[in-house]
Amino acid sequence: AQSVAQPEDQVNVAEGNPLTVKCTYSVSGNPYLFWYVQYPNRGLQFLLKYITGDNLVKGSYGFEAEFNKSQTSFHLKKPSALVSDSALYFCAGGNFNKFYFGSGTKLNVKP
Amino acid sequence: GAVVSQHPSRVICKSGTSVKIECRSLDFQATTMFWYRQFPKQSLMLMATSNEGSKATYEQGVEKDKFLINHASLTLSTLTVTSAHPEDSSFYICSARGLAGAGDEQFFGPGTRLTVL
Repeated sequence: AQSVAQPEDQVNVAEGNPLTVKCTYSVSGNPYLFWYVQYPNRGLQFLLKYITGDNLVKGSYGFEAEFNKSQTSFHLKKPSALVSDSALYFCAGGNFNKFYFGSGTKLNVKP
Repeated sequence: GAVVSQHPSRVICKSGTSVKIECRSLDFQATTMFWYRQFPKQSLMLMATSNEGSKATYEQGVEKDKFLINHASLTLSTLTVTSAHPEDSSFYICSARGLAGAGDEQFFGPGTRLTVL
């Protein structure tokens, strides 16, 4: 069965420190991988995607993610966290016709 | 960038009534629209996929007679929750995707909070 996993329910980081939000996938064929962010009572905002090409993908708001085929991972990273980055982050993977969403990781950035 | 709107943003209804939620792609033609449901502190669960002009494809466990989906144009899809009950209370989110090759990501609407009393 195809799936996307986010092993951490919550990630806490101090402002200015680097952050990592983990994601692993189990998708057949060449995966489409995405990261979205959700603020309270809002829809999802697109951050970045990997379809093909360079394994390191740069996205919105200074976020980036690295596609690692051997580890089937697509971790979200940012060199220096901001308090305003605090939100719920979803990893999604699949093919053109269907996405599978991870369970979400709540990121808390403390001043 | 691509913008997707949903209307209404919030609706409260009595048990037994039907509620219609609209999803519109404002600046692109959406050949495919998706409807998701999100319970508090949980992930998005795909309910159905609709392609313009054809019947929606429902995920396993989703009642097609209860959640009616219509995708009559390239910019509008509607989800009607028929005979709503309190257990249907949830956050409903739609997404839209353009033509293949025009971009692969789904663009999400802001969501509709449905509360059934």
